[in-house]
Amino acid sequence: QKEVEQDPGPLSVPEGAIVSLNCTYSNSAFQYFMWYRQYSRKGPELLMYTYSSGNKEDGRFTAQVDKSSKYISLFIRDSQPSDSATYLCAMTKNTDKLIFGTGTRLQVFP
Amino acid sequence: KAGVTQTPRYLIKTRGQQVTLSCSPISGHRSVSWYQQTPGQGLQFLFEYFSETQRNKGNFPGRFSGRQFSNSRSEMNVSTLELGDSALYLCASTGDGGETQYFGPGTRLLVL
Repeated sequence: QKEVEQDPGPLSVPEGAIVSLNCTYSNSAFQYFMWYRQYSRKGPELLMYTYSSGNKEDGRFTAQVDKSSKYISLFIRDSQPSDSATYLCAMTKNTDKLIFGTGTRLQVFP
Repeated sequence: KAGVTQTPRYLIKTRGQQVTLSCSPISGHRSVSWYQQTPGQGLQFLFEYFSETQRNKGNFPGRFSGRQFSNSRSEMNVSTLELGDSALYLCASTGDGGETQYFGPGTRLLVL
């Protein structure tokens, strides 16, 4: 079993939809949780960063962490075609290496 | 601040050759991590360097090696290339005391 599981998709939604992306993990020591967005042929770009449990909002993006369930989510409101990309969750205990999910490919069509 | 830069961006090699990839971190960042990204395995951690010392290492064979210079620039080397080494190699830098990693655009390596 992988430490971090993420549905690879692809996920296809119409413009304006609310998108929910999720990851589950097995290591309860993880404390820092991140979401990266990766466009085709580019490096991952940090979107959201959360420490421990709770919610964090940034514009149309909301990250949620539920440590009791070992489950993290990224919500995208009013999705746009420019949001079409692969979304990677990542987590770490402290300054240890980041463990990534395999990524979910999102396609937002006009 | 300038972001993480990687050179070259694209590379084609043949089996058995060796390759060296370069990464310049964000100014002031002393930690540099390397990852291999493939469609089947996703992002896999290779190693991390901090102040010229390897601090963490992933589960890759000894053909994969790296180093870091006093200016925090880092290089990774892959010797005796295999077809399966074809991948996007990403480097990321982290500031002191930080947990978030900032990625470069990657070097796409194709082994024929």
